[in-house]
Amino acid sequence: SQTIHQWPATLVQPVGSPLSLECTVEGTSNPNLYWYRQAAGRGLQLLFYSVGIGQISSEVPQNLSASRPQDRQFILSSKKLLLSDSGFYLCAWSQGRTSGYYNEQFFGPGTRLTVL
Amino acid sequence: GENVEQHPSTLSVQEGDSAVIKCTYSDSASNYFPWYKQELGKRPQLIIDIRSNVGEKKDQRIAVTLNKTAKHFSLHITETQPEDSAVYFCAVPHQAGTALIFGKGTTLSVSS
Repeated sequence: SQTIHQWPATLVQPVGSPLSLECTVEGTSNPNLYWYRQAAGRGLQLLFYSVGIGQISSEVPQNLSASRPQDRQFILSSKKLLLSDSGFYLCAWSQGRTSGYYNEQFFGPGTRLTVL
Repeated sequence: GENVEQHPSTLSVQEGDSAVIKCTYSDSASNYFPWYKQELGKRPQLIIDIRSNVGEKKDQRIAVTLNKTAKHFSLHITETQPEDSAVYFCAVPHQAGTALIFGKGTTLSVSS
């Protein structure tokens, strides 16, 4: 069966510090990978998605970046955190579209980031 | 880009009542409409989804209806129970790829 991991689970960082969040998926190959952010009491904002190694599509220009160095690894980074970067970061995966149909997205446990 | 509006943002019902949450979308080419449930402090999980070739899908106490002409779809929960209390999100496909664009969520509170 497939499993998705995220770490760290919680993180408290000062403004201006760098960030690296990691997501890995087990039990599948060539998954589509996604990063979402959920601010307190808010919806799920799509940040990045990837359909393959080195292929990253960005939805939010801001000060965040994403990389996919391996097939089942997705990393979210920032060089300098802002207060507004605080939130709950969720990684998700899905199988690629089959016969034109979308497949279910499975979310990781999330990383709760507080920027002080 | 694709846009999805979700209403209401909060919904309070008595145990045993029905709850309905509605989402409207802008891209008439959308063909997949999932609903996710997120309990407090946990990850969102898919509870039901519908594809554009059907108008309604039911799974025990939950159902989703789709009106492609009007570009809206709704989640129906019957005989609500306290454990139904959570945030519910609708989603539609991203125009350019495989990602989902989520609504802002509905906080459902079921009181006993």
